[in-house]
Amino acid sequence: SAVISQKPSRDICQRGTSLTIQCQVDSQVTMMFWYRQQPGQSLTLIATANQGSEATYESGFVIDKFPISRPNLTFSTLTVSNMSPEDSSIYLCSVLDRGGEQFFGPGTRLTVL
Amino acid sequence: QKEVEQDPGPLSVPEGAIVSLNCTYSNSAFQYFMWYRQYSRKGPELLMYTYSSGNKEDGRFTAQVDKSSKYISLFIRDSQPSDSATYLCGEGFQKLVFGTGTRLLVSP
Repeated sequence: SAVISQKPSRDICQRGTSLTIQCQVDSQVTMMFWYRQQPGQSLTLIATANQGSEATYESGFVIDKFPISRPNLTFSTLTVSNMSPEDSSIYLCSVLDRGGEQFFGPGTRLTVL
Repeated sequence: QKEVEQDPGPLSVPEGAIVSLNCTYSNSAFQYFMWYRQYSRKGPELLMYTYSSGNKEDGRFTAQVDKSSKYISLFIRDSQPSDSATYLCGEGFQKLVFGTGTRLLVSP
């Protein structure tokens, strides 16, 4: 399985600011995804990060709030913009391997004050 | 109605017990089912991945899918304290839909 790392592992931010989360994979993958895991709630897909084109967002998530970059097949970033306390969550990236299995990174724990 | 429902627990069992974790889902078109294990402050780790109905076994773990009743189960035999974690059931091929997770506590 792919080895996935995320930076930062955690952060505490002030409301109104933005945070960019990085996701690095040790092998080239076609499909990368960003999820959010809020306390007591289901792990929820934010968007699919497409290499060379705009990300595909799920219902309830918009590009202005969660801009995503995917410059190559091993790296992606998710920015949480204009943060509010409601954005406090764990953000995870994942990749789909050739066997159809999806693997997750360790997550970024974000607290917004 | 949520697409995948799961009892949040916690489920407490003694070491050595057989654990049964369950989920229900609402969409009859669902085909790919999986179980992830998530330790505290870690990312989800894929345990089992199954397609359509039937059983799949891997060591102490057995995943079962009953499409007629829209029921997904994970059985853990000879449970160990190291199995204490949150277990997430999910469905999907690329876009995954998850339950809220069941917290399992295995006491020595």
